[in-house]
Amino acid sequence: DAKTTQPTSMDCAEGRAANLPCNHSTISGNEYVYWYRQIHSQGPQYIIHGLKNNETNEMASLIITEDRKSSTLILPHATLRDTAVYYCIVRVYGQNFVFGPGTRLSVLP
Amino acid sequence: DTAVSQTPKYLVTQMGNDKSIKCEQNLGHDTMYWYKQDSKKFLKIMFSYNNKELIINETVPNRFSPKSPDKAHLNLHINSLELGDSAVYFCASSKGQGTTNTEAFFGQGTRLTVV
Repeated sequence: DAKTTQPTSMDCAEGRAANLPCNHSTISGNEYVYWYRQIHSQGPQYIIHGLKNNETNEMASLIITEDRKSSTLILPHATLRDTAVYYCIVRVYGQNFVFGPGTRLSVLP
Repeated sequence: DTAVSQTPKYLVTQMGNDKSIKCEQNLGHDTMYWYKQDSKKFLKIMFSYNNKELIINETVPNRFSPKSPDKAHLNLHINSLELGDSAVYFCASSKGQGTTNTEAFFGQGTRLTVV
């Protein structure tokens, strides 16, 4: 079973920042936080991952709270193409990626 | 170049048939996976292979069998197909332990329809 909880769905206006929360209150010290998204029925796409420091790449930023019990994925300027299901996963290296139901993000024009 | 490729993209077949789905990755990864996404859109792990050894086998019927001829390939064989096997099957790969870049890369999926 997934070890994370996420809202079922969220809306975001095009051009605004999309902030997607994730709770992982039982995360252990060696578990990383990964974010993936799935656009329509395509294969899941890797976005970003981190352990305890905030991370940023060309797609998004990942903010992890100091106690590591929650995190937020930030898409700084959402576009219509960012409409997708976003998955937050906690994982130790070498383990499987266990997907929960995710958050369905709808970017509205 | 496609990192993780699956064939076929679509597969329609009758109940009782035996079919295979092929997966290849050109990333040099040593761990490969098969996932099933059913009509409710839940992604469930089926198998993972590390260096040609099955390391996790979830509660999947033994009609499903992964075959890995080499590190770059993990094919999925399904015997005696049933209606409930209809789903989208995704192959993925990742590096093993001991590295920092261990994200998994997924193929585009094979939509299997059993009629």
